[in-house]
Amino acid sequence: NAGVTQTPKFQVLKTGQSMTLQCAQDMNHNSMYWYRQDPGMGLRLIYYSASEGTTDKGEVPNGYNVSRLNKREFSLRLESAAPSQTSVYFCASSGTGFGYTFGSGTRLTVV
Amino acid sequence: AQSVTQLDSQVPVFEEAPVELRCNYSSSVSVYLFWYVQYPNQGLQLLLKYLSGSTLVKGINGFEAEFNKSQTSFHLRKPSVHISDTAEYFCAGWGIQGAQKLVFGQGTRLTINP
Repeated sequence: NAGVTQTPKFQVLKTGQSMTLQCAQDMNHNSMYWYRQDPGMGLRLIYYSASEGTTDKGEVPNGYNVSRLNKREFSLRLESAAPSQTSVYFCASSGTGFGYTFGSGTRLTVV
Repeated sequence: AQSVTQLDSQVPVFEEAPVELRCNYSSSVSVYLFWYVQYPNQGLQLLLKYLSGSTLVKGINGFEAEFNKSQTSFHLRKPSVHISDTAEYFCAGWGIQGAQKLVFGQGTRLTINP
């Protein structure tokens, strides 16, 4: 089925470890986004990519990096994980209709 | 400053009762509005959207919302809820304060009691 695929679904990291969250969409959307969701704080934008080859910071970019590898893929990297980065991460994409299609999320715990 | 405000963080209702989840947004020249639903341990799904035209928008699962420009509101309603409607609901706006991306509210947790 068409949509946004995120991997992995679950991950436990030790403080200081690095990892990359992967996201791919097959809807030919230009824009892609990474959010984190924390209790009581809604969705906060980490980074986004309006088109292939461009990336921009969102509300909470510190501690993260992104790569828009091609039109389909947008990865999020944690270089040195911290407990404050324990969260649920969502990738989303959008085309011309302004609404977003979301992935099913990655639940990350940093111990 | 919050650009999309959901006025209730939690709303408990009894099954088969009506419900309204409130959302207000910062005024903008052109704004598109959305409601998303997130069931436990899942991603967000689009419930409905207002882009233009009729101010009463119908979505999936019997939900509807009304765009009110004068009150800068986009409240979500359902006349009779079911246990399966238990979820978190997010209001979002595109074009809020000129942003060319969605701005989300804080979410409202809807709990349906039998």
